[in-house]
Amino acid sequence: SQTIHQWPATLVQPVGSPLSLECTVEGTSNPNLYWYRQAAGRGLQLLFYSVGIGQISSEVPQNLSASRPQDRQFILSSKKLLLSDSGFYLCAWRRQGAFEAFFGQGTRLTVV
Amino acid sequence: DQQVKQNSPSLSVQEGRISILNCDYTNSMFDYFLWYKKYPAEGPTFLISISSIKDKNEDGRFTVFLNKSAKHLSLHIVPSQPGDSAVYFCAAENTDKLIFGTGTRLQVFP
Repeated sequence: SQTIHQWPATLVQPVGSPLSLECTVEGTSNPNLYWYRQAAGRGLQLLFYSVGIGQISSEVPQNLSASRPQDRQFILSSKKLLLSDSGFYLCAWRRQGAFEAFFGQGTRLTVV
Repeated sequence: DQQVKQNSPSLSVQEGRISILNCDYTNSMFDYFLWYKKYPAEGPTFLISISSIKDKNEDGRFTVFLNKSAKHLSLHIVPSQPGDSAVYFCAAENTDKLIFGTGTRLQVFP
């Protein structure tokens, strides 16, 4: 069976500090990978998606970047966090050609 | 540019009655639609989906209706149960992207 791991579950970081959130998927190969953010009072905003190693599509211009160094690893990063980066970050995967996406448990990021 | 919209941020329904959650979209190229349920501090879980070539899909207490001409879909839950209380997101698929709406918080009270 397939599983998705996302860590850490919670994170408190000062403004200006770097960020690295990691997501890994097990039990499947060549998945589509996604990073979403749920900000307070808002829906799930698609930040980045990837259809293969090294292939990253950015949906929203922002202070964040994503990388996919391995087939089942997706990393969300920032060099300098802003207060507005606070939110609930979710990683998801989907089989190529399938419609249903499966989500990790999320990371609650608070920038102080 | 919000391509998928859920105009009702919240909905309160009595147990046993029908819950109707609505969703509107702007992109006619979407070819698949999904509904997800989300509890606080957890990732969303898949509920039900519908292809753009259909107008109805039913799974137990959950039915999704699609009106392509109106670019509108809805989720019906009947009968509603207290355990259905959660935030519901509609989502639309276009090529490799899955775009979510803003969510509707459903509360089912006894």
